[in-house]
Amino acid sequence: DSGVTQTPKHLITATGQRVTLRCSPRSGDLSVYWYQQSLDQGLQFLIQYYNGEERAKGNILERFSAQQFPDLHSELNLSSLELGDSALYFCASSSNWGPSPLHFGNGTRLTVT
Amino acid sequence: KNEVEQSPQNLTAQEGEFITINCSYSVGISALHWLQQHPGGGIVSLFMLSSGKKKHGRLIATINIQEKHSSLHITASHPRDSAVYICAVTNYGGATNKLIFGTGTLLAVQP
Repeated sequence: DSGVTQTPKHLITATGQRVTLRCSPRSGDLSVYWYQQSLDQGLQFLIQYYNGEERAKGNILERFSAQQFPDLHSELNLSSLELGDSALYFCASSSNWGPSPLHFGNGTRLTVT
Repeated sequence: KNEVEQSPQNLTAQEGEFITINCSYSVGISALHWLQQHPGGGIVSLFMLSSGKKKHGRLIATINIQEKHSSLHITASHPRDSAVYICAVTNYGGATNKLIFGTGTLLAVQP
């Protein structure tokens, strides 16, 4: 058990809708990262937060946004969903903002129909 | 060309065999990660290294910074080692875990 909790495990929604994915990091970890894994693109880094502040951005679409709350949990908001947004979304946490061992959640599988 | 290349893409081994998975990268890095993804989808971090060699149980990871190459070895392989093994690098100068991922190696260990 990595100590990272992601909810929900599965999400099925229609095109054009908006969803929120939630992540609770391992106790004591201040950094939260979001990754997308799709069949055609593989694993891609989306965004990183450290202690409530955005630290780095990757290939995150403008329709997507994230935030980290004072209790350090994070939410990834996906809006105006398209079929191509169907993917596994992983959250990971680490103890600091630099290169450090990552602890992954079990992912949220999003299916857009 | 991908910045992180893994080989082989697919690997089938018999139980007990010694396995090597290779990772080459073309960017400057501050760290390299080996990850394991089981069929259920969950990802486990196996190693993070920036030099030399690390060992954990039957797993050994090495890195050669000059050659921009890393290897993951599994000794005495077992069917439970069947998974996708993913190499990822943290781009040099990026003081974050902004990882660049390889495409993974699918390992099947047969009893």
